[in-house]
Amino acid sequence: QLQLQESGPGLVRPSETLSLTCSVSSGSLTSAQYTWGWIRQPPGKGLEWLGSVSYSGSTYSNASLKSRISMSIDTSKNHFSFNLTSVTTADTATYYCARMTTLGVHPWGQGTLVAVSS
Amino acid sequence: DIQMTQSPSSLYASIGDRVTISCRASQGIGTDLAWYQQKPGKAPKRLVFAATGLQTGVPSRFSGSGSGTEFILTISSLQPEDFTTYYCLQHNAYPWTFGQGTRVEMK
Repeated sequence: QLQLQESGPGLVRPSETLSLTCSVSSGSLTSAQYTWGWIRQPPGKGLEWLGSVSYSGSTYSNASLKSRISMSIDTSKNHFSFNLTSVTTADTATYYCARMTTLGVHPWGQGTLVAVSS
Repeated sequence: DIQMTQSPSSLYASIGDRVTISCRASQGIGTDLAWYQQKPGKAPKRLVFAATGLQTGVPSRFSGSGSGTEFILTISSLQPEDFTTYYCLQHNAYPWTFGQGTRVEMK
């Protein structure tokens, strides 16, 4: 069954760029039925949908992040990526990658905790 | 953005109790709603899709109802493993938005 795994640094300095990659196994990124996206959860708080990218590279992002977010997809490597620029301590969270479907988000990666600290 | 108002934010219940959690959308979303269960330190797990569809492998004590702006997740007989946090998600319009979460605690 489809599995997703986030990877990236666990610590990012304020004002720098947070970069994460999601590797997908037992499935392909090329289906037009899905998009591939990111959700985060600050410690002890709720879930926030950040954005998603289609197999063709079209992106849909949460305006709350303004222009700080970018996403890309590499179907040949079966992974997709996420960048968040100019991070602050408010961006400290567990970041999840997931498949976005017409029936919601499913499945999810296990999540990776990213701390923003000097 | 579509706001999802989830209630209650927490509740206390006992094993065997019937529990209901509500989500209200700020505008109609048809049945583009899913419910998730999240245990500490774990990724959320989908319980219900399309407002009423039960995810494969999820016990039948979980059920979803509603359409438009009002949705309910029901746990018919609470089990020990059900004491955790639940979220609704609307995926009708970008940005997708979650409810604030409901924490189910043991009385």
